[in-house]
Amino acid sequence: DIQMTQSPSSLSASVGDRVTITCRASQTISTYLNWYQQKPGKAPNLLMYGASSLQSGRSSRFSGTGSGTDFTLTISSLQPEDFATYYCQQSYRTPFTFGPGTKVDIK
Amino acid sequence: QVQMVQSGAEVKKPGASVKVSCKVSGYTLTELSMHWVRQSPGKGLEWMGGFDPHEGETVTAQKFQGRVTMTEDTSTDTTYMELSSLRPEDTAVYYCARARFGEFLRYFDLWGRGTLVTVSS
Repeated sequence: DIQMTQSPSSLSASVGDRVTITCRASQTISTYLNWYQQKPGKAPNLLMYGASSLQSGRSSRFSGTGSGTDFTLTISSLQPEDFATYYCQQSYRTPFTFGPGTKVDIK
Repeated sequence: QVQMVQSGAEVKKPGASVKVSCKVSGYTLTELSMHWVRQSPGKGLEWMGGFDPHEGETVTAQKFQGRVTMTEDTSTDTTYMELSSLRPEDTAVYYCARARFGEFLRYFDLWGRGTLVTVSS
């Protein structure tokens, strides 16, 4: 199975901060990398797919980069509604595995 | 617009089976690739399996093979996930999700609200 790791596991930030989350795959996955946002008690919500494509309806303050094994999700200016847990997921090969998540909370 | 409505919470004893449903509206099931993902309390997300349109069949994670059955009733546009031989560690929220498959793309763009399954004696 392809293992996904994320860093940091959690971070505290203020509204307006630039936030970067890193995701690493245990083997190359091309750009088969997706990002999901999850708020407490809610289902995950697709944020980015194909490493750098923004899901329709999501804010352009979110961006994604990377290919191969290393990927990043950047929030250019953190807003109150962005406080959540973020998961990366590889869809290169089954089983489709998720990273352990990065919790973003308010400083 | 696609909507997915999942069945209600379940409490099961160890060794029992549970069958979770996910009814789709706005599309017919034959147009969709449906998958199942679970999340244990306070834990991360775990893909269980789903329909792969390129393979033309349902693919399940090896971890669940022999215990999970995913079926569809196209007459009611409902997909089901049945997990047998339940253990306390199967306590989780089970989500159905629509998968989109494209060239160099596979992702889950719509999710049900989840069904909590509690396994306890």
